[in-house]
Amino acid sequence: GENVEQHPSTLSVQEGDSAVIKCTYSDSASNYFPWYKQELGKRPQLIIDIRSNVGEKKDQRIAVTLNKTAKHFSLHITETQPEDSAVYFCAASIDGTPLVFGKGTRLSVIA
Amino acid sequence: EAGVAQSPRYKIIEKRQSVAFWCNPISGHATLYWYQQILGQGPKLLIQFQNNGVVDDSQLPKDRFSAERLKGVDSTLKIQPAKLEDSAVYLCASSLGSGYTFGSGTRLTVV
Repeated sequence: GENVEQHPSTLSVQEGDSAVIKCTYSDSASNYFPWYKQELGKRPQLIIDIRSNVGEKKDQRIAVTLNKTAKHFSLHITETQPEDSAVYFCAASIDGTPLVFGKGTRLSVIA
Repeated sequence: EAGVAQSPRYKIIEKRQSVAFWCNPISGHATLYWYQQILGQGPKLLIQFQNNGVVDDSQLPKDRFSAERLKGVDSTLKIQPAKLEDSAVYLCASSLGSGYTFGSGTRLTVV
């Protein structure tokens, strides 16, 4: 089955700097790659997703890139703010099958 | 739209006791998932329902865990008997297509 690896496990950046979180997946048939943000004690919330027919997607300060050949995808957050501090999870799936999540990255944005 | 409702929010039980969690998905969402999230890890799938049928329960420890989704709406997840390693947040999610909406989860502590 699918296996998703996520790096780094923790990341600290200065406010205003960029943050990059990387994930790799094992099943070349996977075609859907969402990113979730989970604040302490709260539910995971979808922040952006990408499908395998697209190489990059942006939404304001957040972007996701996908390299199908290398089977990896990345989350990019620009101009980080303290409220971006949270745990971020990547996930992968084939349409109709359950998401397989990475282990998460704890992002700390230092003011 | 109303979100995914889960109850209880917190539960503390002794090992070998039984416990049940309840989930009410977003109206019209045919697919419902139960995930287990152990502290510091990503969510791990327990079971997937499509309407009232089980699609994937390959990772459900069936000797102690059971789940049902009567009438294709609400779902319950039961653990009997509980073990210390079952301490985790149990997340319910529902979807129409690929993107999930998670509930707030039930934090279970087994002592």
